[in-house]
Amino acid sequence: GAVVSQHPSRVICKSGTSVKIECRSLDFQATTMFWYRQFPKQSLMLMATSNEGSKATYEQGVEKDKFLINHASLTLSTLTVTSAHPEDSSFYICSARDVSAGRGGYEQYFGPGTRLTVT
Amino acid sequence: GESVGLHLPTLSVQEGDNSIINCAYSNSASDYFIWYKQESGKGPQFIIDIRSNMDKRQGQRVTVLLNKTVKHLSLQIAATQPGDSAVYFCAVVVSGGYQKVTFGIGTKLQVIP
Repeated sequence: GAVVSQHPSRVICKSGTSVKIECRSLDFQATTMFWYRQFPKQSLMLMATSNEGSKATYEQGVEKDKFLINHASLTLSTLTVTSAHPEDSSFYICSARDVSAGRGGYEQYFGPGTRLTVT
Repeated sequence: GESVGLHLPTLSVQEGDNSIINCAYSNSASDYFIWYKQESGKGPQFIIDIRSNMDKRQGQRVTVLLNKTVKHLSLQIAATQPGDSAVYFCAVVVSGGYQKVTFGIGTKLQVIP
């Protein structure tokens, strides 16, 4: 149980185009999903918190107009990188929190990540 | 803001030995702590967690120790195996709000066969 999927796993796009990444909770409902980016040999940096049916909360320094987040249902959140540039190349990882789980709902389940390369 | 760091960026351990990975955190309001394992090209995998009202928790071959006085967390892996080779992150959660998970820098564990 508690599986999170991401699609695509890898994507290569040209500079100036937009790319959409999907994050799905497969066997639980996630009112809250989180989006991270990770550069090589670095830690995960939280970009934004996505809540079903409301606007995402972005971390300081993250451009909300560049990284569009939509959490349209309890099992799906999408991240769209608009007008992508080479510096946006990174590993994007989502996580979902099952608020019905034990441990007071703190635990997050992570997706396998999406490798974005902008040429 | 929260900062979470690790004492050792890399750790090489002989197969069969025990591994200890350390982590320091700065926010005394942190009340939930998690260790994740990340293999190359994959998302983080939950290993073990501990709440602030505990100082030790054991799992299968892993033990997490929490010292709130000095804001220090450690992960102990018993009888380290080649499959344990990965990057290990500690992460902390401060209750309230969206309960964001803040990750530490990471320690790369290399198991020598």
